[in-house]
Amino acid sequence: QPVLTQSSSASASLGSSVKLTCTLSSGHSSYIIAWHQQQPGKAPRYLMKLEGSGSYNKGSGVPDRFSGSSSGADRYLTISNLQSEDEADYYCETWDSNTRVVFGGGTKLTVL
Amino acid sequence: EVQLVQSGAEVKKPGESLKISCKGSGYSFTSYWIGWVRQMPGKGLEWMGIIYPGDSDTRYSPSFQGQVTISADKSISTAYLQWSSLKASDTAMYYCARRTDGGATRYWGQGTLVTVSS
Repeated sequence: QPVLTQSSSASASLGSSVKLTCTLSSGHSSYIIAWHQQQPGKAPRYLMKLEGSGSYNKGSGVPDRFSGSSSGADRYLTISNLQSEDEADYYCETWDSNTRVVFGGGTKLTVL
Repeated sequence: EVQLVQSGAEVKKPGESLKISCKGSGYSFTSYWIGWVRQMPGKGLEWMGIIYPGDSDTRYSPSFQGQVTISADKSISTAYLQWSSLKASDTAMYYCARRTDGGATRYWGQGTLVTVSS
């Protein structure tokens, strides 16, 4: 079963850009992942599905400021022109079938 | 519009039983897997298990096998998560979540807070 590794925290200034990383475990570098955002006190929200090729498919209503990319076993979420409402926890998710799912530990993003 | 609406917050005592619900609407309820996710206070997301309402095929994460029961009633488009004997360590927010055809959790419920305290 794949394992996803995320940094526990990140910070960036208002209006700047930040790139969050989710790393797939050895032997699982081709896996597709999804990114989710969880604002304080709210349910998670689907942001996008991201393939190993770097191709991504965003959910409806997700701002253009959010984009995805990939390199080897790393999957990235880039947020441009950071806004205060982007301060949240970000989780990556992958799956071994529709029935075996794993989440990364989450990255807490602070907007300075 | 796809919606997952969960039942309200619960406060229970250790040893009590509980069943929480998740009602799907805006899509064919029997055609998509629905899973349950636990989030303990201040912690990350944990996958608990999943059910396919079309035929009630159910799978559990090894960490939750035997600890909870997942079920669904397709006649009312509702999935359930239940405990037979709650523990204080079951205190958490529980989310239901619908998957897409190609994988990925695509839609989330609003969450049900379960508090277990004597």
